[in-house]
Amino acid sequence: SQQGEEDPQALSIQEGENATMNCSYKTSINNLQWYRQNSGRGLVHLILIRSNEREKHSGRLRVTLDTSKKSSSLLITASRAADTASYFCATNPNTGTASKLTFGTGTRLQVTL
Amino acid sequence: NAGVTQTPKFRVLKTGQSMTLLCAQDMNHEYMYWYRQDPGMGLRLIHYSVGEGTTAKGEVPDGYNVSRLKKQNFLLGLESAAPSQTSVYFCASSPPSGVARELFFGEGSRLTVL
Repeated sequence: SQQGEEDPQALSIQEGENATMNCSYKTSINNLQWYRQNSGRGLVHLILIRSNEREKHSGRLRVTLDTSKKSSSLLITASRAADTASYFCATNPNTGTASKLTFGTGTRLQVTL
Repeated sequence: NAGVTQTPKFRVLKTGQSMTLLCAQDMNHEYMYWYRQDPGMGLRLIHYSVGEGTTAKGEVPDGYNVSRLKKQNFLLGLESAAPSQTSVYFCASSPPSGVARELFFGEGSRLTVL
């Protein structure tokens, strides 16, 4: 079963604009992670936010987590054509086991010149 | 540093044939995983391993077997392929440092079952 659901499914913006993607999940988590996948490639880890954190930054990325609403958002500021990719949230359950991440269905981001 | 390497990258099988996907990592990670990715469904965990000689079932284990004879290798086997197993398969690994672990993914293996 899918733990995370991303919204929107697809997003098209122009270079320089900000892109916001949202993720909702169902059960309690230890942490939530965001990954990027370029077309035909593997997933690359972007950022991890723990359940006791509310916001985290990494370069042009800003992630927020609201555990009361079971939701997270990923903001990419000043987007570039190279940011064109699919973005997935993944939740790590609160069980202390291996990282049995549950992935959402992803947001396809298209950044045009 | 190669990271996580998957072979083969592409394979076409006929229904009923068997095959093995090989995953190798050179980061000395304890944990390894096999996921499948289907359109509109994200990634789903098939099997995983928390160390050499150990394996465990994930969300969608039926029709697959795995082995972890060496720490650096994690094999995914299909004994009798079915069209429903047409998918892109991703191997990943992670270190055992605490509970918060990021995954390192391979480039994927695209399997088509006719």
